[in-house]
Amino acid sequence: DSGVTQTPKHLITATGQRVTLRCSPRSGDLSVYWYQQSLDQGLQFLIQYYNGEERAKGNILERFSAQQFPDLHSELNLSSLELGDSALYFCASSFRGGGQETQYFGPGTRLLVL
Amino acid sequence: AQTVTQSQPEMSVQEAETVTLSCTYDTSESDYYLFWYKQPPSRQMILVIRQEAYKQQNATENRFSVNFQKAAKSFSLKISDSQLGDAAMYFCAYMNYGGSQGNLIFGKGTKLSVKP
Repeated sequence: DSGVTQTPKHLITATGQRVTLRCSPRSGDLSVYWYQQSLDQGLQFLIQYYNGEERAKGNILERFSAQQFPDLHSELNLSSLELGDSALYFCASSFRGGGQETQYFGPGTRLLVL
Repeated sequence: AQTVTQSQPEMSVQEAETVTLSCTYDTSESDYYLFWYKQPPSRQMILVIRQEAYKQQNATENRFSVNFQKAAKSFSLKISDSQLGDAAMYFCAYMNYGGSQGNLIFGKGTKLSVKP
């Protein structure tokens, strides 16, 4: 158990819908990362937050947005869902960020868009 | 932009034998980190080993060791005395050094099978 929690574990929805994925980082970690793992794109970095502020952005679609709340949990919002958004979405956390720290991954949320 | 390439989609090893997984990367940076992550069937991402580019000494963690060749931009993972529990997807990953931006750039992965 990494100490990072993600809910829900599984999500099935239809095209055009909107979903919210939630992540709680390890106790004491200030930085949260979101990654997408799909069959065709592999593992891709989406976005990083540090202590409530956006720190880095990767290949995140405009239809996707995220935020980190004062209690440090984070939410990833996916809207106008398409079939290609079906993937495993990981959240990871570390204390401040940077490679000197280990990123601890949550168990992921498996999203299926029908 | 940095890229990570794993040229072996699948590998197989006999239990108790040694196997080496290959990884090459491309970057114009001189300081960075390299990682190997393991993803078993449970899909959990687990850090196996980390290498700082400024360190010449290859990292080791128990049965896992790396061969880091900075000039060749090569970072292979050696698993000694392979065990059934080592069967998993293995991802090589890169991260720039410095600051608090720590996003990982992953390769496509190598699926390792361990035969009893």
